[in-house]
Amino acid sequence: AQRVTQPEKLLSVFKGAPVELKCNYSYSGSPELFWYVQYSRQRLQLLLRHISRESIKGFTADLNKGETSFHLKKPFAQEEDSAMYYCAPNTNAGKSTFGDGTTLTVKP
Amino acid sequence: DTGVSQNPRHKITKRGQNVTFRCDPISEHNRLYWYRQTLGQGPEFLTYFQNEAQLEKSRLLSDRFSAERPKGSFSTLEIQRTEQGDSAMYLCASSLADPNQFFGPGTRLTVL
Repeated sequence: AQRVTQPEKLLSVFKGAPVELKCNYSYSGSPELFWYVQYSRQRLQLLLRHISRESIKGFTADLNKGETSFHLKKPFAQEEDSAMYYCAPNTNAGKSTFGDGTTLTVKP
Repeated sequence: DTGVSQNPRHKITKRGQNVTFRCDPISEHNRLYWYRQTLGQGPEFLTYFQNEAQLEKSRLLSDRFSAERPKGSFSTLEIQRTEQGDSAMYLCASSLADPNQFFGPGTRLTVL
C-alpha cells in the first residue's frame, strides 16, 4: 500500500534556527515527490518538487531513494515560514497521496 | 482567471439530505481532482478527471458519492443521503498534464 509518513505533527523552532521536516514514503514505482504548504487562511499551494532541484523560499529537499525519504530543510527559519507542510508523492497519473502534515511554528 | 474556485465555501446540512458542490478549475487545465480532508489529516484522494473522463475513483468514494465533469470544464461532486461522517473539507485541484496541482479554497461541509 502507498503510504506517506510525516512523523512530527508539530515542530517549533526559534527564528534563525535550522529546521528539518521529515517525510518517509512507501510507494510502488518511481513517484515524483512534492512538498505543499498551507499558510494561515490560505489555500494549499506547491512549495517545491524534487525534479526541479530548486531552493524555494530558502527551502530544499533531497530525495533519498535508499531510505525512501524526502526531508524538507531550511538553514535559517523565518517567522513567515510558520505554516502547515505536507509531503506528497505523486504517480504518473497525477494522483497525490498526502501525509498528515507538520505544523511548523517559528518563534521570534 | 483567479485560480481554482469552489462553491459554496461552507455548507451545513441535516443528515439524510443531498448536497452538491461545484469546482471551476483554471481554464486551460485538463485534469481535475477531488480530495477530502478531515481535521488533523492530509487531503485524501477521491477521484480524478482528465477532460470529461473520470479516470480513477478511490474506494473511499462510496455509492452515495458521484462526481461529474460533463464538458471537461467545471465539475460537481454530489453526496446523497449525507451522514455525519461526511463532515469534512472537500478540496478541488486542477492541473495540466503535469503533477503540479493548483488547489481551490475548499468547501467545508457540516452534517448535523
